[in-house]
Amino acid sequence: KNQVEQSPQSLIILEGKNCTLQCNYTVSPFSNLRWYKQDTGRGPVSLTIMTFSENTKSNGRYTATLDADTKQSSLHITASQLSDSASYICVVSPLSGSARQLTFGSGTQLTVLP
Amino acid sequence: DAGVIQSPRHEVTEMGQEVTLRCKPISGHNSLFWYRQTMMRGLELLIYFNNNVPIDDSGMPEDRFSAKMPNASFSTLKIQPSEPRDSAVYFCASSPGSYNEQFFGPGTRLTVL
Repeated sequence: KNQVEQSPQSLIILEGKNCTLQCNYTVSPFSNLRWYKQDTGRGPVSLTIMTFSENTKSNGRYTATLDADTKQSSLHITASQLSDSASYICVVSPLSGSARQLTFGSGTQLTVLP
Repeated sequence: DAGVIQSPRHEVTEMGQEVTLRCKPISGHNSLFWYRQTMMRGLELLIYFNNNVPIDDSGMPEDRFSAKMPNASFSTLKIQPSEPRDSAVYFCASSPGSYNEQFFGPGTRLTVL
């Protein structure tokens, strides 16, 4: 069964600090991996998307990395801001099949304190 | 573009009542997805449509759940009769294709008493 596991479940950091969130997956072969940010009370919003051939993708202070060999991805947040407080969800798409086979991680809840 | 629009944003109902959730996808998107999100299970795909046609409804938990997409700009998710365990946030998302980035609506928070 395809799985996506995220760690840590929750993380508290001080404003201005950096942090890294992890995503391990078993989906293989896979097409792409996405990181979503979900603010409280809102729907998820895409941050980055990487195909299996990409190693890194940046979106402002957010940088995602991908190691297809070890089936690991990370999301690095630089110089955190209070507005970064949210849940971050990793989603993996298989190479073939339907959208049914999108596999969602359970998310990392990040809290940035002043 | 206004993005994906969902209504109502909040719904509180009593067990046994019928609940209808509504979604207007982004214009031009031909795939539409209904998700349910709970603390215990995270995001779960219930059903999705391509070009208004239901492609995969295997995530619909029970026959009490049904979804329709009568045209490209409107979809409904109906629960009849509702039960307390249906309490969750229901998201609608649309995308240009079933494998493209999905754009989520703000969600409907359903509470069944």
